[in-house]
Amino acid sequence: GENVEQHPSTLSVQEGDSAVIKCTYSDSASNYFPWYKQELGKRPQLIIDIRSNVGEKKDQRIAVTLNKTAKHFSLHITETQPEDSAVYFCAASDNDMRFGAGTRLTVKP
Amino acid sequence: NAGVTQTPKFRVLKTGQSMTLLCAQDMNHEYMYWYRQDPGMGLRLIHYSVGEGTTAKGEVPDGYNVSRLKKQNFLLGLESAAPSQTSVYFCASSYSHEQYFGPGTRLTVT
Repeated sequence: GENVEQHPSTLSVQEGDSAVIKCTYSDSASNYFPWYKQELGKRPQLIIDIRSNVGEKKDQRIAVTLNKTAKHFSLHITETQPEDSAVYFCAASDNDMRFGAGTRLTVKP
Repeated sequence: NAGVTQTPKFRVLKTGQSMTLLCAQDMNHEYMYWYRQDPGMGLRLIHYSVGEGTTAKGEVPDGYNVSRLKKQNFLLGLESAAPSQTSVYFCASSYSHEQYFGPGTRLTVT
């Protein structure tokens, strides 16, 4: 089955800096790659997703890039703000979704 | 429009007891999922359903059973709870790929 690895497990940045989280996957059949944000005690919320026929997608301060050949995809957050502090999960899906272990992002004011 | 709801929010069980977690969605989604979330391990898929009357095993199905008798409901059962099943359980539903999560159920097995 699919195996998703996510790095780093923790990330601390200064407010205004950029943050990058990287994921790799193993199943070449995966064709959907979402990113979820989860605040403490809350449910995961979709923040951006990308499909396998697209290499890059951007939504305001958030962007995701996908390299299907290398089987990796990344989340980029620019101009980070304290409210971006949360745990971020990547996932890869063909028929069922497999999640990475998560990255705890801390944005220091 | 409540989205995805889960019952109960919290539960403490003794080893060997049984219980059922209820997930309900009002978005007419075909697909529904049960995940467990443990510290440092992300979300792991237990079972899922691609439509009323169908279920399939996910990544960690052992010790759990599910039923999807109605399109809007997806039940997760623990027949004989074990301490290893202490976790936060999330239900999700989707129309195609994007999954909408419920608020979670925190289960402790002592």
